[in-house]
Amino acid sequence: DTGVSQDPRHKITKRGQNVTFRCDPISEHNRLYWYRQTLGQGPEFLTYFQNEAQLEKSRLLSDRFSAERPKGSFSTLEIQRTEQGDSAMYLCASAGANYGYTFGSGTRLTVV
Amino acid sequence: QKEVEQDPGPLSVPEGAIVSLNCTYSNSAFQYFMWYRQYSRKGPELLMYTYSSGNKEDGRFTAQVDKSSKYISLFIRDSQPSDSATYLCAMGAGAGGTSYGKLTFGQGTILTVHP
Repeated sequence: DTGVSQDPRHKITKRGQNVTFRCDPISEHNRLYWYRQTLGQGPEFLTYFQNEAQLEKSRLLSDRFSAERPKGSFSTLEIQRTEQGDSAMYLCASAGANYGYTFGSGTRLTVV
Repeated sequence: QKEVEQDPGPLSVPEGAIVSLNCTYSNSAFQYFMWYRQYSRKGPELLMYTYSSGNKEDGRFTAQVDKSSKYISLFIRDSQPSDSATYLCAMGAGAGGTSYGKLTFGQGTILTVHP
């Protein structure tokens, strides 16, 4: 068990480009969450999977954002046509049968 | 108004001090209450978890939940320089009688413990 792994750690992209982030959860965890965190703020919920089913999406998740979790294992978060306001830390967390999440170290996105 | 409000700090205390961190919330459906610690450039790490009202102690850390006042606290005794971090409260309503579902976080309090 190596914890929750996120890739890449840092991404710099030009406005208008598409980006994709990957999250590998703890292997036995069936729940996977995506959050976004900006400087000086707490994480904000984006979306949540139980196995491969996407059970909840935040209003923050505009049409430019899409998340998938094929086969209930790793997950990807794609942002299309990035905007400067998308610059943030994107955090993935996984959870098993018990309470509490295990977070990854996040992917820091900078849109220039 | 945000669902969860956290004292913004920052807090700076001498080593050995007792630290008190607090959050208030407005959503009566919240039943699961957590405190996370976040070091710079890292993801949040779960420190304490409490279900419903009451106190929970783990070493130097004590979490308190008062649902009647919609108020939660984290106390750190004998604070150490290694406790310097951002502390986040988080809470959730659960889903289908479980602790699943999203968490709503406070904005975080930056704590510095100086030797």
